[in-house]
Amino acid sequence: NAGVMQNPRHLVRRRGQEARLRCSPMKGHSHVYWYRQLPEEGLKFMVYLQKENIIDESGMPKERFSAEFPKEGPSILRIQQVVRGDSAAYFCASSPGGQDYEQYFGPGTRLTVT
Amino acid sequence: DAKTTQPPSMDCAEGRAANLPCNHSTISGNEYVYWYRQIHSQGPQYIIHGLKNNETNEMASLIITEDRKSSTLILPHATLRDTAVYYCIVTLSGSARQLTFGSGTQLTVLP
Repeated sequence: NAGVMQNPRHLVRRRGQEARLRCSPMKGHSHVYWYRQLPEEGLKFMVYLQKENIIDESGMPKERFSAEFPKEGPSILRIQQVVRGDSAAYFCASSPGGQDYEQYFGPGTRLTVT
Repeated sequence: DAKTTQPPSMDCAEGRAANLPCNHSTISGNEYVYWYRQIHSQGPQYIIHGLKNNETNEMASLIITEDRKSSTLILPHATLRDTAVYYCIVTLSGSARQLTFGSGTQLTVLP
């Protein structure tokens, strides 16, 4: 059973470009979470999605950031008009849902904005 | 979610048991204690969780005090690969909620 997959693993964007980060959850998992880890800081929750629904986006910046988890295909975290402060590691996690299940994390996408 | 307090760093000799403490004095009755670790910028890895009773799996043991205000993660035979930042997280459910990561404990296993 493959783990959570994220791609690309490394992404370089110039200021003002768009960044798209993809996350494929573990097989059978219907819940996806995105976290961000800024350099030398801890992981911060961004958004929690189920298929076709955003459940909790309380950690998402108000502008330029969006996330989706379509019926088919991976979850996408989209950052428009990137700025240097968006440089970070972005981790996706998945779980089967329901109570008392742990979250399984992917290897992360390291975004560098030049 | 209850706030947790962990020492910023600990050392442990290879082959010895590593005991990582966590204080969560404001934990409520239906909150779980979860432990994750992050090895050098990799994705966090789930270790173990518990509600009231002590728990053991192939990776570690979790000891929760009777009043549930603190817990200890035990790695019975630490190896160099266990060097990581260990996070103690208290949450209503590890799945259907966001996880709040604090600063964690940097465990360094020494040869």
